[in-house]
Amino acid sequence: DTAVSQTPKYLVTQMGNDKSIKCEQNLGHDTMYWYKQDSKKFLKIMFSYNNKELIINETVPNRFSPKSPDKAHLNLHINSLELGDSAVYFCASSQLGGNTEAFFGQGTRLTVV
Amino acid sequence: GIQVEQSPPDLILQEGANSTLRCNFSDSVNNLQWFHQNPWGQLINLFYIPSGTKQNGRLSATTVATERYSLLYISSSQTTDSGVYFCAVIPYNNFNKFYFGSGTKLNVKP
Repeated sequence: DTAVSQTPKYLVTQMGNDKSIKCEQNLGHDTMYWYKQDSKKFLKIMFSYNNKELIINETVPNRFSPKSPDKAHLNLHINSLELGDSAVYFCASSQLGGNTEAFFGQGTRLTVV
Repeated sequence: GIQVEQSPPDLILQEGANSTLRCNFSDSVNNLQWFHQNPWGQLINLFYIPSGTKQNGRLSATTVATERYSLLYISSSQTTDSGVYFCAVIPYNNFNKFYFGSGTKLNVKP
């Protein structure tokens, strides 16, 4: 069983479109995250949710809207996609407090054309 | 925020060689993990190691929290070890946010 699973793995879309990426974890963790990996491979946090509540929002454009229907799911919706949104997006989960091991999904490669 | 520096940035090895990757961090941490990003882009957990020493097969890691560094040792490298190795930390004062280093890109040649 995959611990943290993301769908889709690849997403190619045109500028201006709206798209969503879904994430699910079966580890029983209470905290989930979205990270963005840019073209230089640098990984940076975007959002963090604990028990469905937003706890970190790292100056991400408001075209990005995370939604957590329950503590096992965290989806990322992106409106009006721009070329600069092209990146790999990773979902992750852990327990609150940061002193337990975190696990990452396989990533979603988003390409905006 | 906390600074995380990894060295070397790039490393080319012949299969069978050993190597040491280093991660320095600028503040006290609650969590430190090493990840391997394989050529397919997956982030694979290697070690959860906020302090101490751990071993898993040909890989081992040591974190000296008081001196703010961690080392990842790869012995008898194989071509499947190729990829990017990331160190990521969670500082004590911001306990829900990983800060990643910029990675070490490893290429193991047959």
